[in-house]
Amino acid sequence: GAGVSQTPSNKVTEKGKYVELRCDPISGHTALYWYRQSLGQGPEFLIYFQGTGAADDSGLPNDRFFAVRPEGSVSTLKIQRTERGDSAVYLCASSSQRNTEAFFGQGTRLTVV
Amino acid sequence: GENVEQHPSTLSVQEGDSAVIKCTYSDSASNYFPWYKQELGKRPQLIIDIRSNVGEKKDQRIAVTLNKTAKHFSLHITETQPEDSAVYFCAASRANSGYALNFGKGTSLLVTP
Repeated sequence: GAGVSQTPSNKVTEKGKYVELRCDPISGHTALYWYRQSLGQGPEFLIYFQGTGAADDSGLPNDRFFAVRPEGSVSTLKIQRTERGDSAVYLCASSSQRNTEAFFGQGTRLTVV
Repeated sequence: GENVEQHPSTLSVQEGDSAVIKCTYSDSASNYFPWYKQELGKRPQLIIDIRSNVGEKKDQRIAVTLNKTAKHFSLHITETQPEDSAVYFCAASRANSGYALNFGKGTSLLVTP
């Protein structure tokens, strides 16, 4: 596609539920990143994929968070047993192997009630 | 890990004046420093970036300077216009982390006519 696409754009879920957030990167981009942005803050790094493998998952806050990228393209961020503190905008970005510029998606606004 | 500090948190200037935003970083291995502009409710978009092998880069009204010794870099916007109003984020990253970005907390710039 023309840009990074994230779905859904908004997600409201109840505390304790499981959610999946999807990211469709720019075609051909091998690097994919997930960030979380709380109100009034800068994006906070969660995890980075190079191809299918998670090259750096040091930003995942705890084991309730998990992400996959099975075919090296689309990625899914999975959050188990959601908590109100998980409410934020989850941003996905991708970059090509040769160019370090990261292109961001519009984000998924997650609200845990 | 990398720690990026950004100031000021808010900045108000009159149209036509210059605006300067400053960032410091802690990881001497960081070698890529992008600046992103984020309008309300929209995705962060890259406006300029600099790599550690240069000290200054300019693109029309926007310039970035880097002082590797002091570990700080700055964004300069000249002849500001109301459409420059947005939140600006600096970030730092290094190649061997896949260029995963560590962001500052952002500067809310308001340009008044």
